[in-house]
This record gives sequence, C-alpha cells and structure tokens, in this order.
Amino acid sequence: AQSVAQPEDQVNVAEGNPLTVKCTYSVSGNPYLFWYVQYPNRGLQFLLKYITGDNLVKGSYGFEAEFNKSQTSFHLKKPSALVSDSALYFCAVRDKNTGFQKLVFGTGTRLLVSP
Amino acid sequence: NAGVTQTPKFQVLKTGQSMTLQCAQDMNHNSMYWYRQDPGMGLRLIYYSASEGTTDKGEVPNGYNVSRLNKREFSLRLESAAPSQTSVYFCATNRDSNNEAFFGQGTRLTVV
Repeated sequence: AQSVAQPEDQVNVAEGNPLTVKCTYSVSGNPYLFWYVQYPNRGLQFLLKYITGDNLVKGSYGFEAEFNKSQTSFHLKKPSALVSDSALYFCAVRDKNTGFQKLVFGTGTRLLVSP
Repeated sequence: NAGVTQTPKFQVLKTGQSMTLQCAQDMNHNSMYWYRQDPGMGLRLIYYSASEGTTDKGEVPNGYNVSRLNKREFSLRLESAAPSQTSVYFCATNRDSNNEAFFGQGTRLTVV
C-alpha cells in the first residue's frame, strides 16, 4: 500500500528566511512524487515532481524538493520565503507501476509566512 | 483558455436531494478525476475516467455516480445527498496517467 505523511500541520516562517515543508512516503516499488499548492478558495496547482533522474528537483515559484531514497523523504524547500507563499501544501505519491488514479495525497501543511 | 471549469462553485442541498456537479476541460486531456477534500484528510479520489467512454471507482465511490459525456466533460451526481457528503469537490484532468494533473477551482457543497 502507498502512503504519505506530512508531519506538520502548520509551518511558520518569517519573510526572507528559508522554508522547509516535510514529506515522507511509503511505496512498495519506486515512487513518483508530487508537490501541489492550494491558495484560498482555489484548486490545487502543480509545483514540481520527481519521476527519475536528479534527486534535486526545481519547480515553480522558486521552490525545489530533494528526493532522498534512504530516508524516504521528499521535502519541499525555498531559499527565501515570500508572504505570497502562504498557502496549503500537499505532497503526493504513487508507485511507478501504478496509474495516476492510485496517487495518494498527504493531509496538507499550512505555510504561514509573516512579514 | 479556461483550463478546468467546475459548476456550480457553491451549493446547499437538503438531505435526500439530488444534484449534478459539472466539470469541463479545454486541455484536450484524456483522463479526468473527481476528488473530495475534507479537513485533515487530504484529497480522496471518488471516481475517474482514463479515457472517453470509461469510468472507474476510486477510493470513496459510495453515494456517487459519474458520466463521461465526451472528452471534455465529466459529471458527478449525488442521487440522494447525505450530510456526510458535505465537502469540497475538485475535478482534475491530465494528459495521461504519467503526468501531473490540473485542477478546477472546486465546488463547496453543504448538505443540511
């Protein structure tokens, strides 16, 4: 079975500081990993994905994530947070050998960036 | 280019009433999905359609039906609404199973 955990309900960071939103996963085979962001009253927007290749993945709006197979983690990072980054962030995972319909979402982490 | 459009944006139903949530995409994608989002539970897949003419159950299909009307449109029907179906519903689409999905803005449904 596939699962994903986002251990923090909320992350608080000051504008200009680096941010990290944590995600750990469990799949039986090789993972496909995704990060999505949800702004208030909006649908989810794709940020980045790891399919294969470099462990450091760069995505939209200056975000990046590092795939760590030994720690089964895929933490989302940004070197310098903006107030406009405040939103709900979802990590998602599926086994490489399954379809998108098997994608499992985490419960979400609310990021609050203070001025 | 609207992407994924859901209607309505908000709806209040009485227990036992029926309604259909509409979803249309102009991205020429093959696959479409319906999710529900509940606090503390992330997104859960209700039904999906891998291609025009096919539909399959997801994780939480009970109490729902779907229709893939054509390549663009994928509707979700609640035949007899229950308070447990109070949720935010999202439609999503992707080109195929290996690609990221694009989401609509959601329908906030309250069943009283």
